[in-house]
Amino acid sequence: GAVVSQHPSRVICKSGTSVKIECRSLDFQATTMFWYRQFPKQSLMLMATSNEGSKATYEQGVEKDKFLINHASLTLSTLTVTSAHPEDSSFYICSVPRGLSTDTQYFGPGTRLTVL
Amino acid sequence: AQSVSQHNHHVILSEAASLELGCNYSYGGTVNLFWYVQYPGQHLQLLLKYFSGDPLVKGIKGFEAEFIKSKFSFNLRKPSVQWSDTAEYFCAVAFMNRDDKIIFGKGTRLHILP
Repeated sequence: GAVVSQHPSRVICKSGTSVKIECRSLDFQATTMFWYRQFPKQSLMLMATSNEGSKATYEQGVEKDKFLINHASLTLSTLTVTSAHPEDSSFYICSVPRGLSTDTQYFGPGTRLTVL
Repeated sequence: AQSVSQHNHHVILSEAASLELGCNYSYGGTVNLFWYVQYPGQHLQLLLKYFSGDPLVKGIKGFEAEFIKSKFSFNLRKPSVQWSDTAEYFCAVAFMNRDDKIIFGKGTRLHILP
């Protein structure tokens, strides 16, 4: 069964609104979770690393004020897309390390965001 | 429902051995195909991708993959592995006409013996 869930699986919103995406690890605790983004016909891009108890680490070029990440607990990380615009439309996927290291990960099912 | 399966969860090889990792998907429509690698302590890195054209795709570090549409497969190959290829390998499939939803396989951990 699934060990990482994401909610919602699909969301459509109006430009200018904010959207929150949740990533939950179902069977284990995780101090770190990763958020990726995929544009059509491109490969996955790491956006940021969510850290429980501290600030998220953002990759170069990712606006931290636009993509707010909160590692609320050892089983939950949220990604909030603030003031969404059509160019933010994408497929967002989280992953959770399988163990104490980041050697391997479970992937969430992903969230399709469409901004009108 | 769409799914992606990687047949081998853990593979152990000696250096210079040939490698083939299997990846199959279930979907009758158009797909984009990816292989990613994750080295210990690092994040995902794209090895290669297939969108269209020549079904034999060459990627970085000597890896290649062949898309066989009739078999719904996208197996990853390397003629001669090195110790530095020790990593976890993920097959991923983007299902077109399904909101480009991407599904990852569960990964194959490759361990190369020196």
